Amino acid sequence: EPEVTQTPSHQVTQMGQEVILRCVPISNHLYFYWYRQILGQKVEFLVSFYNNEISEKSEIFDDQFSVERPDGSNFTLKIRSTKLEDSAMYFCASKSDRGSTDTQYFGPGTRLTVL
Amino acid sequence: AQSVTQLGSHVSVSEGALVLLRCNYSSSVPPYLFWYVQYPNQGLQLLLKYTSAATLVKGINGFEAEFKKSETSFHLTKPSAHMSDAAEYFCAVSTTGGGNKLTFGTGTQLKVEL
Repeated sequence: EPEVTQTPSHQVTQMGQEVILRCVPISNHLYFYWYRQILGQKVEFLVSFYNNEISEKSEIFDDQFSVERPDGSNFTLKIRSTKLEDSAMYFCASKSDRGSTDTQYFGPGTRLTVL
Repeated sequence: AQSVTQLGSHVSVSEGALVLLRCNYSSSVPPYLFWYVQYPNQGLQLLLKYTSAATLVKGINGFEAEFKKSETSFHLTKPSAHMSDAAEYFCAVSTTGGGNKLTFGTGTQLKVEL
């Protein structure tokens, strides 16, 4: 069964450093998402992406964040200058169609630790 | 704005007992509701979803949920808990338009005891 994959599974970085989290969505999907979950808190939406542009972003997704689909398979989240509060589990998700009822399939997540 | 509220951050049941995890929604338009499960150190897996086709929705692993508009609820149930059901469960609502983002509840940690 097709699945969303994410690399790395765990990333440790120093405050102020840039990180890139990588995702490979399911191959025929067109809509891509990043969510994050700070330890002990709920899953929060960061950004959605369709047709090579951001379709929606949350207040969390400030100028320090960017997303890119550099080729036909990868979807990346870049944090330009990491802060301690960026430490969280980051989930990538994808879905095939436009509808609100379509299932978003989630990857296993990347745990980001900022020291 | 659409939102969901999960009552009870921790629920403990005995193996074989009924599982009931509560979710209430707030929405000015007909909502699309989802239940996801997160096993330790894993991602989110869809259990079931409500898309207005039927109010009683059956999902994987014996779970089901009933959409009740009058109570603005979408509670998750399973008749008989199994040890393998121990996980965190998230209720979510999908927004219409834009990117159809999911807005999650705070989650309920289910513990199953012998």
